[in-house]
Amino acid sequence: DTAVSQTPKYLVTQMGNDKSIKCEQNLGHDTMYWYKQDSKKFLKIMFSYNNKELIINETVPNRFSPKSPDKAHLNLHINSLELGDSAVYFCASAGMNTEAFFGQGTRLTVV
Amino acid sequence: AQSVTQLGSHVSVSEGALVLLRCNYSSSVPPYLFWYVQYPNQGLQLLLKYTSAATLVKGINGFEAEFKKSETSFHLTKPSAHMSDAAEYFCAVSGGNFNKFYFGSGTKLNVKP
Repeated sequence: DTAVSQTPKYLVTQMGNDKSIKCEQNLGHDTMYWYKQDSKKFLKIMFSYNNKELIINETVPNRFSPKSPDKAHLNLHINSLELGDSAVYFCASAGMNTEAFFGQGTRLTVV
Repeated sequence: AQSVTQLGSHVSVSEGALVLLRCNYSSSVPPYLFWYVQYPNQGLQLLLKYTSAATLVKGINGFEAEFKKSETSFHLTKPSAHMSDAAEYFCAVSGGNFNKFYFGSGTKLNVKP
């Protein structure tokens, strides 16, 4: 029973396209996140939502738009994809004073 | 504000040798500290966490870490490395509102036969 699941696992697309990554957690957590991991494995937080409200937006281009229809879901939509957007994107969730639980990642390749 | 610094982007040990991965933190509030492991093409898995209880924390796979406030450190150790320990290791700090997690830059552990 997967705690944090994200789809798709792999995404290959052309520059200029629009794509979405979906994330769902069944842990009952109030907080969800999107992280970007670059080729050097550095993990950078992009967004954080708490109970469907945007809490953190870490200077991410406005081509990236998160959407949280309910507290169990946090989707990431990316417009006008660029080569530099190629990375692994991780969804995570956390409860009050718990660790973050991560999904398996979505490897985005922009060609 | 919070941050973590991991010293050494690559660490190489022989199988059976001591593993020591270094992490120093900075936090304006009492921190929660974590070590995660990432195997190739996988997500991050929690190894252990410090949440202001015992300063010596034991985790999975024989790993442990000691919280030292005076040194602002939370180094990860394992007495005897196994080949299966080869992976990327991340230290993270959290504190304050909404559990924002700050990750270090990661340390890649290589285990030689």
